[in-house]
Amino acid sequence: EDQVTQSPEALRLQEGESSSLNCSYTVSGLRGLFWYRQDPGKGPEFLFTLYSAGEEKEKERLKATLTKKESFLHITAPKPEDSATYLCAVQATSGSRLTFGEGTQLTVNP
Amino acid sequence: NAGVTQTPKFRILKIGQSMTLQCTQDMNHNYMYWYRQDPGMGLKLIYYSVGAGITDKGEVPNGYNVSRSTTEDFPLRLELAAPSQTSVYFCASSYGAGGSETQYFGPGTRLLVL
Repeated sequence: EDQVTQSPEALRLQEGESSSLNCSYTVSGLRGLFWYRQDPGKGPEFLFTLYSAGEEKEKERLKATLTKKESFLHITAPKPEDSATYLCAVQATSGSRLTFGEGTQLTVNP
Repeated sequence: NAGVTQTPKFRILKIGQSMTLQCTQDMNHNYMYWYRQDPGMGLKLIYYSVGAGITDKGEVPNGYNVSRSTTEDFPLRLELAAPSQTSVYFCASSYGAGGSETQYFGPGTRLLVL
């Protein structure tokens, strides 16, 4: 059974204070690892897909990295508008389903 | 492109009532999905469809039914609503041509069963 564990559950940062969110996973064969951002009362918004260990992707202040067991979402010099819940999900080679973690709720204070 | 749209945005049901949550996508995606999200939890897959006329169960299908008569629409039916079905429901779609396919989500339907 595919499993995704995200840590920490919640993270409070001061504006400009860089940090990382962790996503640990077990999957029979990884087709892709996805990061989504979710604002309160809205649906998840796609950020990145990573396909193989060593891959990295960047978007503005966010950088996602992937190893064989985990992924990190690095947030550099965050701003209050980066406050959201960040969800990680894996897709196995055996199908199209996504298995989601429970998310990390990020709050960035001005 | 509107993307994935869902109606209604919010609904209150009494125990035992039934309702249909509507989902439409205009991206010509083959695959569509229904998830539920409970407070502080990740998304759980209820049902999914790989094309018109084809549906399959996800992790938590009990108490729900789906149909897929067109590429665009994927309604979720709740029969005999129970308090345990209080949740936020998200519909998603993806192209599904093979390989890793990004799923795009709708805005959600918040359901309260009393």
